[in-house]
Amino acid sequence: ETGVTQSPTHLIKTRGQQVTLRCSSQSGHNTVSWYQQALGQGPQFIFQYYREEENGRGNFPPRFSGLQFPNYSSELNVNALELDDSALYLCASSLEAGGENEQFFGPGTRLTVL
Amino acid sequence: DAKTTQPPSMDCAEGRAANLPCNHSTISGNEYVYWYRQIHSQGPQYIIHGLKNNETNEMASLIITEDRKSSTLILPHATLRDTAVYYCIVRVFGSNYQLIWGAGTKLIIKP
Repeated sequence: ETGVTQSPTHLIKTRGQQVTLRCSSQSGHNTVSWYQQALGQGPQFIFQYYREEENGRGNFPPRFSGLQFPNYSSELNVNALELDDSALYLCASSLEAGGENEQFFGPGTRLTVL
Repeated sequence: DAKTTQPPSMDCAEGRAANLPCNHSTISGNEYVYWYRQIHSQGPQYIIHGLKNNETNEMASLIITEDRKSSTLILPHATLRDTAVYYCIVRVFGSNYQLIWGAGTKLIIKP
């Protein structure tokens, strides 16, 4: 069983640009959640996808969007980047959306916006 | 807002038991307590979770008070590799699995 992987590891963008971050979930996991983690803080929930549909969203603007694909991969897209978007972006997969299922996290993508 | 309160940092000697407290005084009857840890900017790692009974696995034990307003994570024999930020999280059962994270406890294991 392979773990959760994310790409790229690091990324530098300038303000106003767009970025796509990718995540590959564990095989068989129907649910993926994305989190933003600023330096020194706990992760903040962005949104969750369950069977390719958005299944909940945190307090993030619409310029944060996502996609989930049938092959257990997913994307986080951020438009019109702002300096405050600089953070570690984490994806986490789980077997199902609810229940007691634990979330398995990837190593994260470190995004720097200049 | 986070529903849990944790001390910002703790020290523990290598080989000793590390006891990490968490206060969740506003917890509801159907809300689980989860513990994750994060080792220096890696992805968080699941440790353990529970509802009202004490739980134990190969990594740790979770002790939940009878009124469920607080809990303690116990690492029985701490090693240097246990140095990490430990997060105590409350999650509503059956929700869309949104985890509300606080700032966590920075646990430093000293040789």
